[in-house]
Amino acid sequence: AQSVSQHNHHVILSEAASLELGCNYSYGGTVNLFWYVQYPGQHLQLLLKYFSGDPLVKGIKGFEAEFIKSKFSFNLRKPSVQWSDTAEYFCAVNALNYGQNFVFGPGTRLSVLP
Amino acid sequence: GAGVSQTPSNKVTEKGKYVELRCDPISGHTALYWYRQSLGQGPEFLIYFQGTGAADDSGLPNDRFFAVRPEGSVSTLKIQRTERGDSAVYLCASSPGLPNTDTQYFGPGTRLTVL
Repeated sequence: AQSVSQHNHHVILSEAASLELGCNYSYGGTVNLFWYVQYPGQHLQLLLKYFSGDPLVKGIKGFEAEFIKSKFSFNLRKPSVQWSDTAEYFCAVNALNYGQNFVFGPGTRLSVLP
Repeated sequence: GAGVSQTPSNKVTEKGKYVELRCDPISGHTALYWYRQSLGQGPEFLIYFQGTGAADDSGLPNDRFFAVRPEGSVSTLKIQRTERGDSAVYLCASSPGLPNTDTQYFGPGTRLTVL
């Protein structure tokens, strides 16, 4: 079965610090990869996605993620965080041979201190 | 434009009761998903519809859970004989429906509390 792990449960950073949130998955076949964000009081929204092509994908609000197939990883990065990035971040995987069954990681809560 | 809407936003029920949760997807989206999110966890897939049919219901935890989408738009998640362990936020998402190229758009969720 597919599984997704996220390395950190809660990350606390000061504004302007760099961010990297880890995501690893356990499926060896072809995958689609996603990062979703949930801001306080709002619903889940897509940050970025990888389907194929360039393994470095850029999303909204200055976020990017790199797909490293050999490491089964899809880490999320941002060079300089802002207080408004405070949110819960979820990595998700769709293994193509498993149809439309999306598996989400447990989430990482990011707190950015002003 | 209008996003995915879910009603009710909160539902409190007693153990053993029946509940229905409703999802209105984005107009024109053929794919619809239900997830369950427990406190401190990521969304857990329950069921996926393509049009009116359930294309993948492998995530439904047991036969107390059932979902329908009779006209390929609005969907209802039905839970019979609710248990305290069913308490969670139930999320609905929709997408344009192209297989394996989807971006899912999530609704605000229904918080279900079973007393």
